[in-house]
Amino acid sequence: NAGVTQTPKFRILKIGQSMTLQCAQDMNHNYMYWYRQDPGMGLKLIYYSVGAGITDKGEVPNGYNVSRSTTEDFPLRLELAAPSQTSVYFCASSYPIAPGASAEAFFGQGTRLTVV
Amino acid sequence: SQELEQSPQSLIVQEGKNLTINCTSSKTLYGLYWYKQKYGEGLIFLMMLQKGGEEKSHEKITAKLDEKKQQSSLHITASQPSHAGIYLCGAPANSGGSNYKLTFGKGTLLTVNP
Repeated sequence: NAGVTQTPKFRILKIGQSMTLQCAQDMNHNYMYWYRQDPGMGLKLIYYSVGAGITDKGEVPNGYNVSRSTTEDFPLRLELAAPSQTSVYFCASSYPIAPGASAEAFFGQGTRLTVV
Repeated sequence: SQELEQSPQSLIVQEGKNLTINCTSSKTLYGLYWYKQKYGEGLIFLMMLQKGGEEKSHEKITAKLDEKKQQSSLHITASQPSHAGIYLCGAPANSGGSNYKLTFGKGTLLTVNP
């Protein structure tokens, strides 16, 4: 069972470089999310998507872009990497059990990004 | 925006001891999730609470939701080294159909000494 798969696991970027963090889920989940986790700061929502073709900003979207062309994939793009984007990035997905019901989010293993 | 405050921030216990971690919300709770994270790994779902007064248990971990207090607690009985890790609480930002935006607390780091 693959679940939520993130690639790469680690990456070092130079300031100003760009990269795409990949996220794929094989559970046919409607909802997908990108979070960043900084030491002592918990998880901050960057972007989320409620279905293919629909994305919206979370709490800390500046410096990032996303797209959702398929249900399975939700890549996160960093255009001009900055040291402040050094963090651990988590992708997650979830599904509504029923209209209005909550559902657990399944997380990937994370991507540890360092910008130097 | 909703904020979740976890206490304590860190906890060191001797193996076999009981412990409690709290999660308090700044706004009405429409559900509460507990996750566990080991260093360098993703989040593992523990439990989801949806109704006030709800209590769930899994092995030696029990979680309760007090809607009136806007608070949830996670209790571990007879702790083991395998319980060590970071415990995070998360809550949906809205009720009803828009439950997709999850806010998380900063986490509680649990160390269990053998």
